[in-house]
Amino acid sequence: DVVLTQTPPTLSATIGQSVSISCRSSQSLLHSNGNTYLHWLLQRPGQSPQLLIYLVSRLESGVPNRFSGSGSGTDFTLKISGVEAEDLGVYYCVQGTHAWTFGGGTKLELK
Amino acid sequence: VQLVESGGGLVQPGKSLKLSCSASGFTFSSYGMHWIRQAPGKGLDWVAYISSSSGTVYADAVKGRFTISRDNAKNTLYLQLNSLKSEDTAIYYCARLHAWGPGTMVTVSS
Repeated sequence: DVVLTQTPPTLSATIGQSVSISCRSSQSLLHSNGNTYLHWLLQRPGQSPQLLIYLVSRLESGVPNRFSGSGSGTDFTLKISGVEAEDLGVYYCVQGTHAWTFGGGTKLELK
Repeated sequence: VQLVESGGGLVQPGKSLKLSCSASGFTFSSYGMHWIRQAPGKGLDWVAYISSSSGTVYADAVKGRFTISRDNAKNTLYLQLNSLKSEDTAIYYCARLHAWGPGTMVTVSS
């Protein structure tokens, strides 16, 4: 089974600060069809998760462009360029190359 | 796009429950769908997937106990939960990657 390891588990940031979250997979997420099914979700307190980034780096419609994703193979990164108050919550990476697996989550909180 | 789950509640260990997810705003029959759960205070845990052609995949923790199904005529996704255990207590979400429902709470307790 694929294991996704997210770091750090908790991230403290000030408004306007840029931060990055890492997601490392136990095996390559490159599918035989050439796609890499690695996505990023945000779950705000008391809400359902919402998609931010799909297929490593594609920005979901309506998501601010301060969010960006990068990576390949087994190592992936979500970057927030200038944290805003509405960005607080728990971030999850999820892979869909081999069924679905979620990372353990990264809680973003205000410093 | 809207997904709305229903059918959750309090159930005793060993009993059964059937969850439903009503879909609207997209061509339901064209999409694979997932059930994901979240135990209180914990992270997301993938449960099951059904493709547009009704092929199914399950997490090891629920294989043989849970059954995912769909009725494209009713735009509805289902999850039959049998032989429930206390560790199945969670909010259950139905989802496509780009859309999630609000979830329905299942509590397994005597």
